[in-house]
Amino acid sequence: SAVISQKPSRDICQRGTSLTIQCQVDSQVTMMFWYRQQPGQSLTLIATANQGSEATYESGFVIDKFPISRPNLTFSTLTVSNMSPEDSSIYLCSVLGQGTYNEQFFGPGTRLTVL
Amino acid sequence: ELKVEQNPLFLSMQEGKNYTIYCNYSTTSDRLYWYRQDPGKSLESLFVLLSNGAVKQEGRLMASLDTKARLSTLHITAAVHDLSATYFCADDRGSTLGRLYFGRGTQLTVWP
Repeated sequence: SAVISQKPSRDICQRGTSLTIQCQVDSQVTMMFWYRQQPGQSLTLIATANQGSEATYESGFVIDKFPISRPNLTFSTLTVSNMSPEDSSIYLCSVLGQGTYNEQFFGPGTRLTVL
Repeated sequence: ELKVEQNPLFLSMQEGKNYTIYCNYSTTSDRLYWYRQDPGKSLESLFVLLSNGAVKQEGRLMASLDTKARLSTLHITAAVHDLSATYFCADDRGSTLGRLYFGRGTQLTVWP
């Protein structure tokens, strides 16, 4: 499976600011995804990061709040804009595996706290 | 509303005991995924079940899928402390586009 890294691993931010999270994969992958895991909760898919085109967002998530870039097949960024305490979560990127259907492999996550 | 429901959400069991975690999903997908998350860690893929009747086993864990009942089970045999973690099932809603939709997770604690 691919080796996935995320930066930063954690951050504490002030309300109203923005944070960009980076996701780097050690091999080229076709599909990358961004998830949010709120404290004590499950994972919610934010969007599919498409290489060379706009991200595809899930219901309840919009580009203005969570702009995503995917400049190549090994890298993506997620920005959390105009943050509020409700954005405090773990943000995880994942990639689609080369083998079995939709099996995904997850990065270590970015733990974000908004004050 | 499309749902993935797990039960129980919390499970505390003694070492050596057996138990089953249930995952009900509401789509017509033939595929179901199980993941494990240790505290403060990311998710680890455990099983991918690709068709009705699929059964997969790894150590003390066995997962099965009944697409007609839209039910997957994760059976724990002779639990050990190292199995303490949160277990998530996920559904792809029948799509091959890679998107996964997760249940709320079952937090398993195994005590001596």
